[in-house]
Amino acid sequence: EDQVTQSPEALRLQEGESSSLNCSYTVSGLRGLFWYRQDPGKGPEFLFTLYSAGEEKEKERLKATLTKKESFLHITAPKPEDSATYLCAVQGNQAGTALIFGKGTTLSVSS
Amino acid sequence: DSGVTQTPKHLITATGQRVTLRCSPRSGDLSVYWYQQSLDQGLQFLIQYYNGEERAKGNILERFSAQQFPDLHSELNLSSLELGDSALYFCASSAPGSYTFGSGTRLTVV
Repeated sequence: EDQVTQSPEALRLQEGESSSLNCSYTVSGLRGLFWYRQDPGKGPEFLFTLYSAGEEKEKERLKATLTKKESFLHITAPKPEDSATYLCAVQGNQAGTALIFGKGTTLSVSS
Repeated sequence: DSGVTQTPKHLITATGQRVTLRCSPRSGDLSVYWYQQSLDQGLQFLIQYYNGEERAKGNILERFSAQQFPDLHSELNLSSLELGDSALYFCASSAPGSYTFGSGTRLTVV
């Protein structure tokens, strides 16, 4: 069974204090690993898709990396507007498989 | 605006009732996925439709059903509602490598 575990559940940072969020996964053949940002009461907003180990993608203060067992979302010099819940999801190789999500990491950045 | 439209945004109903949630996918997307998000469970996959046909089922209760129409919009029907069905319900549509979510329907069962 495909599984995604995210840690920590919650993270509090000071503005400018860099950190990383972890996403560990087990999947029967990885088609893609996805990162989303979700604000309270809103739909998940797409950030990145990673397809193979060693791949990295960046967007502003965020950088996602992928190994065969986990992915990291690195946040460099965060700002208060980066406060949100970050969700990780995997899609397996079988045709028609949906995204399986972790429970998320809730990030709070204070100024 | 993500391009995925969900209506209504909010729904309050009583236990035992039936409701219908609606989703219009992004133009050109053939797949529609339904997810339930509650505080303690995170995003749980319910069901997927592709071009009108059911493609995959997740943790969907027998009291819930869905369909996708020829114009590709989808409806999720929830019946015999219980307090525990209170949650955010999201629809997503996909093209290869891209999954876009709507803004959700918040269902409150009282």
